[in-house]
Amino acid sequence: AQKITQTQPGMFVQEKEAVTLDCTYDTSDQSYGLFWYKQPSSGEMIFLIYQGSYDEQNATEGRYSLNFQKARKSANLVISASQLGDSAMYFCAMRSIIQGAQKLVFGQGTRLTINP
Amino acid sequence: GAVVSQHPSRVICKSGTSVKIECRSLDFQATTMFWYRQFPKQSLMLMATSNEGSKATYEQGVEKDKFLINHASLTLSTLTVTSAHPEDSSFYICSASYPGGEKTQYFGPGTRLLVL
Repeated sequence: AQKITQTQPGMFVQEKEAVTLDCTYDTSDQSYGLFWYKQPSSGEMIFLIYQGSYDEQNATEGRYSLNFQKARKSANLVISASQLGDSAMYFCAMRSIIQGAQKLVFGQGTRLTINP
Repeated sequence: GAVVSQHPSRVICKSGTSVKIECRSLDFQATTMFWYRQFPKQSLMLMATSNEGSKATYEQGVEKDKFLINHASLTLSTLTVTSAHPEDSSFYICSASYPGGEKTQYFGPGTRLLVL
């Protein structure tokens, strides 16, 4: 069964430091996609970054990069030069084909707090 | 980027009444829409997947007679919570995708439902 595990319930980081949010996944699919979403207190889900299972290079989007280690089945999110506005819940998710349908499976989330 | 709206953003209703939540894709045709539920301090749980013009596919444990989903057009899906009870109080989020847009699902801003 497809599963996403985020082992850090909460992270506290000083402003301007880099932070790594952990994500491991379990799947038997050969083709899959990995996503990171940010959810501020307003509740909206903000797409941050995507990594395809066949992508050879790690994905990057501005201050966000995804450290994709396929053999270890990990897809950690790295945020460089953190800002106060980065404080939010962060969810790792995997797109899988389950019973012929494309679905997103989410991890438990990590609450990131940036301290001034 | 693609925009998905939800209405209402929050709703309070009495126990036993029905509540309808709308999800619209504003600038693209969404062949597939997804409905999630998120309880406080928890992750998103997929409730059902709806394809335009066909019946929704519900996840295990989700009562299809209680959570009625209608995907009447390529830009609109509705979720009706029938005979709502306090335990149905939650944050309901829809998302939408289109063919070729497998890299992400576009999420609506969510609807907070409180059943008294």
